[in-house]
This record gives sequence, C-alpha cells and structure tokens, in this order.
Amino acid sequence: AQTVTQSQPEMSVQEAETVTLSCTYDTSESDYYLFWYKQPPSRQMILVIRQEAYKQQNATENRFSVNFQKAAKSFSLKISDSQLGDAAMYFCAYRSAGYGGSQGNLIFGKGTKLSVKP
Amino acid sequence: SQTIHQWPATLVQPVGSPLSLECTVEGTSNPNLYWYRQAAGRGLQLLFYSVGIGQISSEVPQNLSASRPQDRQFILSSKKLLLSDSGFYLCAWSVRPRLGVLNTEAFFGQGTRLTVV
Repeated sequence: AQTVTQSQPEMSVQEAETVTLSCTYDTSESDYYLFWYKQPPSRQMILVIRQEAYKQQNATENRFSVNFQKAAKSFSLKISDSQLGDAAMYFCAYRSAGYGGSQGNLIFGKGTKLSVKP
Repeated sequence: SQTIHQWPATLVQPVGSPLSLECTVEGTSNPNLYWYRQAAGRGLQLLFYSVGIGQISSEVPQNLSASRPQDRQFILSSKKLLLSDSGFYLCAWSVRPRLGVLNTEAFFGQGTRLTVV
C-alpha cells in the first residue's frame, strides 16, 4: 500500500521569504500523480499544484513550485515570496494512475502547518 | 462549471442520535465520490468512495455508512453516533479515472464540523 509522509508538522516563514515543505512517499507503482493541497482556516481544501510522475519537468504555478525526485520518492513544495495569505495547512497527496476500483483515491500525508510572519 | 455542495456546515449531536450528511455535485456526470474525515493532527482519512450509483466501498471499519442514491448525491449516515465520530467531514469528487482523462485531482466541499456530545 502507498503511504505519504510529511515530516514537518509546523513551519514558519517571514513574509516575502521562501519556504520549502517536505513530502516523501512510498509506492511500488511507476505511474502516479502527486498533489499539494492547501487548507486555510476556512477548512476549504484548495489544489495548489499537481505533478505527473511520468514528467521529468517540475511543475510550477506562479509562486509555487515543486522539486520532484522520483528515484528518491520525494516531492517538496517551494513557496516563493511568501504572503500572509499563504498561511494554512498544506497536505501532500498521492494518486495511482490506474483506472479501476480504488485507484482514483487520494492518499494524504498528515499535513504541515505553515505560519507566515509579517 | 462544476460545483460541490455539502451541508450542514456545523452539527452538534448527542451520543446515540442518528446522522445524515449530504453532498451533491453539479456540472458533471458519473463522478467518483468520496467521504473523508479529518481528525485533529491526523490528516485526511478516506472513509468511503463510490464509482457509481449504489456502489459503495468502505476503507475503514466504523460506525458510519454511505449511500449514493443518485449519480451526483452522496450521503454519510450513522444510526447511533459515538463520541469518537466527532471530527471534520469532507466530501469530494473527481473525474472517473479512464484512459485519456487528464483531470486527476479531487475537488472538495466546504466540510462539516461534527461534534458529538
């Protein structure tokens, strides 16, 4: 079974600085998807960024980028120019690339709480 | 565009009472539907998923059940709530995985905070 581990329960960053959140996963599959979700105090889960395992190029979305190391099974999120609105819980998630049964399900890590200091 | 509605937003129920949380999706058909529970400090735990009407799979044995009476409706229920059922419940949907479909992420409802007293 696949597992997702986020080893940093809490992180803090100064406004306008850069912070990196860590995520590792365990799988025997070769094709899969990885995600970072953000959960602000409103508790609404918001997709931040997505990475397809078959793509070598790291995904980027504005100030958010990932460092995807497939061999190391590592998927970190870098937030540049941090803003107060970035303060939230961040969850790393894994999804199989198959089509049947439970393979559409997301497997989440326990999350990292990010604080942004003004 | 697709939207997902989940209600109620908050609920306080006594131990032993029944539960019914409802989730509906609009703007798509044949979605995969999910119920997650988020307990403090434990991330999101998948409770149930459904790939079609009347098709429910349970991931974790528990006091809860789920039903999908219509294609875009997903209901989480309990006959008798326990204190341990307290938590934040999230409904989500995704495009059903199939060849050629590139949309892979799940979209979440606003969540229901359930407190069992």
